[in-house]
Amino acid sequence: EAEVAQSPRYKITEKSQAVAFWCDPISGHATLYWYRQILGQGPELLVQFQDESVVDDSQLPKDRFSAERLKGVDSTLKIQPAELGDSAMYLCASSVDTYEETQYFGPGTRLLVL
Amino acid sequence: AQSVAQPEDQVNVAEGNPLTVKCTYSVSGNPYLFWYVQYPNRGLQFLLKYITGDNLVKGSYGFEAEFNKSQTSFHLKKPSALVSDSALYFCAVSSGGYNKLIFGAGTRLAVHP
Repeated sequence: EAEVAQSPRYKITEKSQAVAFWCDPISGHATLYWYRQILGQGPELLVQFQDESVVDDSQLPKDRFSAERLKGVDSTLKIQPAELGDSAMYLCASSVDTYEETQYFGPGTRLLVL
Repeated sequence: AQSVAQPEDQVNVAEGNPLTVKCTYSVSGNPYLFWYVQYPNRGLQFLLKYITGDNLVKGSYGFEAEFNKSQTSFHLKKPSALVSDSALYFCAVSSGGYNKLIFGAGTRLAVHP
């Protein structure tokens, strides 16, 4: 069964450092999502791509976060500089297309900022 | 604005008993409703969804959910709970379009032997 791949699984960094997360969606999935899940809460959408284009980044803190999906396949989410409040699980998901399609999630990257 | 409420932080049930995890939603337009399960330090696993049609939706691992438009609810149910069902359950809603999912805060299900 095809799965969404993410790396690294865990990341510890110091505040003010740069971190990057990678996601490889299920093959053929046009839509890719990055979510942030703070402990004890549900996931919150940070950015959504349709192929290589951003269709929603309204909740992305653009002063420090950036995301790209250059060839419309895999994607990278970057934080620079990291802050203590960025400690969370970062989840990537993909779906065949937008609309009512099911989103399938990767295992996540747990970030701890010291 | 879309929103999802999961009124119970935790649900406790004995193994073999039926379980219900509650979810209510608010959305403009027709709702697309989803249930996901999360095990410790793992991503979310899709359980089931309601898009249209029969109000009773059957999903993975024996779970089902009932869509109730008048009560704006989408409660998750299982006739006989297993200890292995113990996990964190999330309800989510979308109104279609760009399919932005809004998640509830989650309900922790604890099934006791």
